Amino acid sequence: KAGVTQTPRYLIKTRGQQVTLSCSPISGHRSVSWYQQTPGQGLQFLFEYFSETQRNKGNFPGRFSGRQFSNSRSEMNVSTLELGDSALYLCASSRNPGISDTQYFGPGTRLTVL
Amino acid sequence: GENVEQHPSTLSVQEGDSAVIKCTYSDSASNYFPWYKQELGKRPQLIIDIRSNVGEKKDQRIAVTLNKTAKHFSLHITETQPEDSAVYFCAAISNFGNEKLTFGTGTRLTIIP
Repeated sequence: KAGVTQTPRYLIKTRGQQVTLSCSPISGHRSVSWYQQTPGQGLQFLFEYFSETQRNKGNFPGRFSGRQFSNSRSEMNVSTLELGDSALYLCASSRNPGISDTQYFGPGTRLTVL
Repeated sequence: GENVEQHPSTLSVQEGDSAVIKCTYSDSASNYFPWYKQELGKRPQLIIDIRSNVGEKKDQRIAVTLNKTAKHFSLHITETQPEDSAVYFCAAISNFGNEKLTFGTGTRLTIIP
């Protein structure tokens, strides 16, 4: 069974631009969560989607948004990029949300904001 | 919300010795505690998890213990090998209220050959 995939793997943007990252979950998984990983802050939860609905949201500004499609694929968007948005963005999928099932991570998208 | 603290932030042990990483959590409703291993440049991978209805779980050289009263859980790696070198993250989640996985800040484990 194929694992979680994320595209693109690397991205370089400049301040003020916007970016869209994509995540395809493991087949049969309906829950997708997004995390930001930085050396200083560790793994920070962004949001979780299940059945095309946002279930939970972390403490990030409104510039960070996401959505989920009917095939469970998810995208996250960051508008008006800031230097501090440079990070590894990881998505994780599970069959169901919450503690029901284990989350499996994708390889991440490394975003660099110049 | 949940707060997970992890110690130590770095740990070096001689190959063959044991390593212990400890985490505490704040939300008494948390009832699922996974541990992830992240090698350099790779994705976090689940290595073991424990639910609140058990106190200990073991998988070969890896074990996790949970003390719900004290709200702490620990990862134990015995007979360490060079390939155990990585960053380890603990996490906690509750199925009541805001069901988001909260991670500790990570422990960089280095196995000295």
